[in-house]
Amino acid sequence: GDSVTQMEGPVTLSEEAFLTINCTYTATGYPSLFWYVQYPGEGLQLLLKATKADDKGSNKGFEATYRKETTSFHLEKGSVQVSDSAVYFCALFRRDSNYQLIWGAGTKLIIKP
Amino acid sequence: DVKVTQSSRYLVKRTGEKVFLECVQDMDHENMFWYRQDPGLGLRLIYFSYDVKMKEKGDIPEGYSVSREKKERFSLILESASTNQTSMYLCASSFLSQGRAGADEAFFGQGTRLTVV
Repeated sequence: GDSVTQMEGPVTLSEEAFLTINCTYTATGYPSLFWYVQYPGEGLQLLLKATKADDKGSNKGFEATYRKETTSFHLEKGSVQVSDSAVYFCALFRRDSNYQLIWGAGTKLIIKP
Repeated sequence: DVKVTQSSRYLVKRTGEKVFLECVQDMDHENMFWYRQDPGLGLRLIYFSYDVKMKEKGDIPEGYSVSREKKERFSLILESASTNQTSMYLCASSFLSQGRAGADEAFFGQGTRLTVV
């Protein structure tokens, strides 16, 4: 079945460091891929998405490129801030599925000043 | 703005109580979901609904039931709360796919942190 694998956390970085959070997936067909973010005490919100191979999603300085050849959707940011501390979830959605997203386990990111 | 509203941010209930968690969305979404979130386990789907009065079991339905009498409202019911149901509960909604643009994005409520003592 479909699945999403994320790097385990927590990931701890200093402010202004470069961030990569790895995400790989297994799915038939051509799923849409997502990164959601959960700030402390909040629900999840969509950070960025990509719907086809080689698409790049971007938002708030974060980027991720849909790589079909490596089945990956790694999240990157050039210079992180303390306010980026949150839990990040990678997810996929298959167009022939009416119902649900398939979620990774989440990666907690801690940014130290 | 899309809004998914959960009735409580924090709840404390006693073991054996019947607990209702309510969720309302204002986007006319067909799909609604209940997840629980636990440290190290990510999001686990409890139940989802793709239409009024329709429901499907997710990955961990045991000890839970749901109700969807109106399109905008999806309730999660803990028939007899137990301490292992202490968790963060997240409600989400989305459009039914059918190739509709933007149908793949899910919108989440703020979450309900339930403690069963």
